[in-house]
Amino acid sequence: GQQVMQIPQYQHVQEGEDFTTYCNSSTTLSNIQWYKQRPGGHPVFLIQLVKSGEVKKQKRLTFQFGEAKKNSSLHITATQTTDVGTYFCAGPTSYDKVIFGPGTSLSVIP
Amino acid sequence: DGGITQSPKYLFRKEGQNVTLSCEQNLNHDAMYWYRQDPGQGLRLIYYSQIVNDFQKGDIAEGYSVSREKKESFPLTVTSAQKNPTAFYLCASSIGTGRYGYTFGSGTRLTVV
Repeated sequence: GQQVMQIPQYQHVQEGEDFTTYCNSSTTLSNIQWYKQRPGGHPVFLIQLVKSGEVKKQKRLTFQFGEAKKNSSLHITATQTTDVGTYFCAGPTSYDKVIFGPGTSLSVIP
Repeated sequence: DGGITQSPKYLFRKEGQNVTLSCEQNLNHDAMYWYRQDPGQGLRLIYYSQIVNDFQKGDIAEGYSVSREKKESFPLTVTSAQKNPTAFYLCASSIGTGRYGYTFGSGTRLTVV
């Protein structure tokens, strides 16, 4: 079946360092979504990418969708303690729901 | 403000008891979903519903039941048949099939005592 994987599973960075998480799908995706879940909270939708090779920015966050539409990345420049949380990517299945990756948990050391 | 309301926030259940988790949305979304999250884990789909009076099993439906009698409501019952029910339960909704993103509720933490 369709699978969505993310690496790394955990990442610890010093405040101010950059951070990148990678998402890979076993099949081509029509779009990729990214969510953030703060510790003790619920996932919050961040962004959706649709076009092959698309790049979108939200302040210090840069999202990319691969040319083959099978992979994506989230890059955070100069991390802050407010960036702490788990970042999930998700892509629609060929049917009627979205499949989530296992997430990358980010810790920021002040 | 539009959103999804899950209640209660915390729930304690004795072994052998059924318990129902509430999920209400006022976003006028057609689709609703239930996910289970265990500590340090991702999201696993329990049940989902695209329209009223219709729902489908997700990846881990055993020991759970749902109903969708109203567009706004999608309650989840955790039955005594669920062997390991202690978890964080998240309800979500979406326009259509989720291709445009999910809105999540704040979750219910269920503990079996």
